[in-house]
Amino acid sequence: DIVMTQSPGSLAVSLGERATINCKSSQSILYSSNNKNYLAWYQQKPGQPPKLLIYWSSTRESGVPDRFSGGGSGTDFTLTISSLQAEDVAVYYCQQYYGTPYTFGQGTKLEIK
Amino acid sequence: EVQLVESGGGLVQPGGSLKLSCAASGITFSDSAIHWVRQPSGKGLEWVGRIRSKAKNYATEYAASLKGRFVISRDESKNTAYLQVNSLKAEDSAMYYCTHNLTNWGQGTLVTVSS
Repeated sequence: DIVMTQSPGSLAVSLGERATINCKSSQSILYSSNNKNYLAWYQQKPGQPPKLLIYWSSTRESGVPDRFSGGGSGTDFTLTISSLQAEDVAVYYCQQYYGTPYTFGQGTKLEIK
Repeated sequence: EVQLVESGGGLVQPGGSLKLSCAASGITFSDSAIHWVRQPSGKGLEWVGRIRSKAKNYATEYAASLKGRFVISRDESKNTAYLQVNSLKAEDSAMYYCTHNLTNWGQGTLVTVSS
């Protein structure tokens, strides 16, 4: 199985500041035939299901604010929130869909400092 | 509007079984893969498995640790997918979500395994 490791486990950032979450896969999730990274990011708020933010490592889902961006390739990825808003408080998960089982990172809890 | 509605959760004794349902609307169900993901209270997400589309012969895949106890199926006439969970253990207690192509998610159904 591909192991996804997120860091940090929790993060406190001031409103308006940048937040960066890291995700590392135990093997490359870049498919050479289409040059796509099979990596998604989700946001989960208390009592709600996960919400897809980004897929193909850097493509924002429709309706997701442009302050959210994804980057990286191969085995190392980042989710960046350029200017933290109060409504961004949540747990964030990365997930690889390169191969089954489609494993998740353990989550990063983002709070306001 | 895409909507996924899970049902069938509840309190069950260890060793028991449940059949969870995921009713879909707003999608072309036969073209869709349906995944199940679970989340124990206060913990992270775990991919349970998926059933692929008609074009992919409704193939199923599971997390290795669950294979044999969990079975995913679908009924095209009802636009509904199912997760049969057998020989339940306390550690199977979780919110169970279904998701269409990992894009649209239901609100989940809660399974509690306890005597």
